[in-house]
Amino acid sequence: ETGVTQTPRHLVMGMTNKKSLKCEQHLGHNAMYWYKQSAKKPLELMFVYSLEERVENNSVPSRFSPECPNSSHLFLHLHTLQPEDSALYLCASSPDFTYNEQFFGPGTRLTVL
Amino acid sequence: AQSVTQLDSQVPVFEEAPVELRCNYSSSVSVYLFWYVQYPNQGLQLLLKYLSGSTLVESINGFEAEFNKSQTSFHLRKPSVHISDTAEYFCAVSEGGSYIPTFGRGTSLIVHP
Repeated sequence: ETGVTQTPRHLVMGMTNKKSLKCEQHLGHNAMYWYKQSAKKPLELMFVYSLEERVENNSVPSRFSPECPNSSHLFLHLHTLQPEDSALYLCASSPDFTYNEQFFGPGTRLTVL
Repeated sequence: AQSVTQLDSQVPVFEEAPVELRCNYSSSVSVYLFWYVQYPNQGLQLLLKYLSGSTLVESINGFEAEFNKSQTSFHLRKPSVHISDTAEYFCAVSEGGSYIPTFGRGTSLIVHP
C-alpha cells in the first residue's frame, strides 16, 4: 500500500449505530487530519493531530470522536449520527502540521439513514 | 481570517478548448496558494502551488496559475483541455504562519467530446 488509505470506502449506518472510520498513511508523516466534504460546500476541517496529539478541534459535535494511536493511523469513531452528517469524510496527512501541502486519502462515503 | 471564493460552480467546455477556473481570496497578510484536483471517487491531489518567487506556476499536465496580489486572485488556466481533465478543482489558501489551508467550494470542470 502506498500513500493514504481509508476504510471502508462506503458506509451506511442508522442513527443509533456505532461505527469507525480508519485512515492509514504510508508516507512517514507526523500530522494527520480529518475533513468533511459535503456537496458544493468548502472542505470542513474537523480534527488535526500532530505526533498523536490533537492540535485542533473545530467545534465538531461530540458524536464524532477521533483517535490517533500512532503517527500512521487515525480513526474517527461515530455514534448516534444525524442524517445531515452524511458526507464524504477525507483523511489527509503531511510531514508535519507546519507543512502546507496535504496528501489525501480517497475518502469514506458515509450515509446516515 | 482568510476566505476563498470560487465563483463558478460548474464549467462545461469542449475538448481542446481553453479553460479558466477562477479563484479569489481575501487576506491581509502574505499567503500561500494551492489548486487541488479531485477525480471521481478519489481524494484530492495537489495540482500546483504558489509559495514565493515567480507568480506564474505550472503543473506537469499543462495547467498553470498566476498569483495576482493586487487582484487577490489565483486563476487556473489550461490552453487545451482533454476529456481526462474532467474533475472537481479546489482552490485553497493559507496565510503566512498558518499551517491549515482554507478551501473554496470547488469548481466542477466538465469536458465534452
